[in-house]
Amino acid sequence: GDSVTQMEGPVTLSEEAFLTINCTYTATGYPSLFWYVQYPGEGLQLLLKATKADDKGSNKGFEATYRKETTSFHLEKGSVQVSDSAVYFCALRGYNQGGKLIFGQGTELSVKP
Amino acid sequence: NAGVTQTPKFQVLKTGQSMTLQCAQDMNHNSMYWYRQDPGMGLRLIYYSASEGTTDKGEVPNGYNVSRLNKREFSLRLESAAPSQTSVYFCASSGTTGGSETQYFGPGTRLLVL
Repeated sequence: GDSVTQMEGPVTLSEEAFLTINCTYTATGYPSLFWYVQYPGEGLQLLLKATKADDKGSNKGFEATYRKETTSFHLEKGSVQVSDSAVYFCALRGYNQGGKLIFGQGTELSVKP
Repeated sequence: NAGVTQTPKFQVLKTGQSMTLQCAQDMNHNSMYWYRQDPGMGLRLIYYSASEGTTDKGEVPNGYNVSRLNKREFSLRLESAAPSQTSVYFCASSGTTGGSETQYFGPGTRLLVL
């Protein structure tokens, strides 16, 4: 079945460091891919998404490119801030799978001043 | 706009007790979902409702029942709680079930079963 694998956390960075959180997926057909962010004590919020190969999603300085050849959707940000500290989830919606999202296990990011 | 609301925020149950988690959305969305979040496992879909009057099982439905009361409300019931159901429960909604439609999440219900 469809699945998502993320790099394990926690990831600890200094402010202004470069961030990469790896995400790879297994799916049949052409899934849509998402990154959600969960701030402490809150629900998940959509950060960005991509719906077809080579699409780049971007928001709030974060970017991710849908790479079908490597089945990846890595999250990047050039300069992280303390306010980016959160848990990041990669997710996919499989082709013809209705609204069901499959999530990775989440990666906790902690940014120190 | 409240978005997706959930009650209660926190609950402690004893094994065998029952309870209902409530969820409501004010975005006129057709589809609603219940997930559970456990450490190291991400979110897993329990049940979903593609539209008013329909419900379907997700990945981990055992031990749960749901009711889509109307377009706004989607409740999750634990008939006989077990310690394995200790988790954080999230409700979500979306306009449709297809494509790249964004799901909007509630703040969660933290459940502890002793």
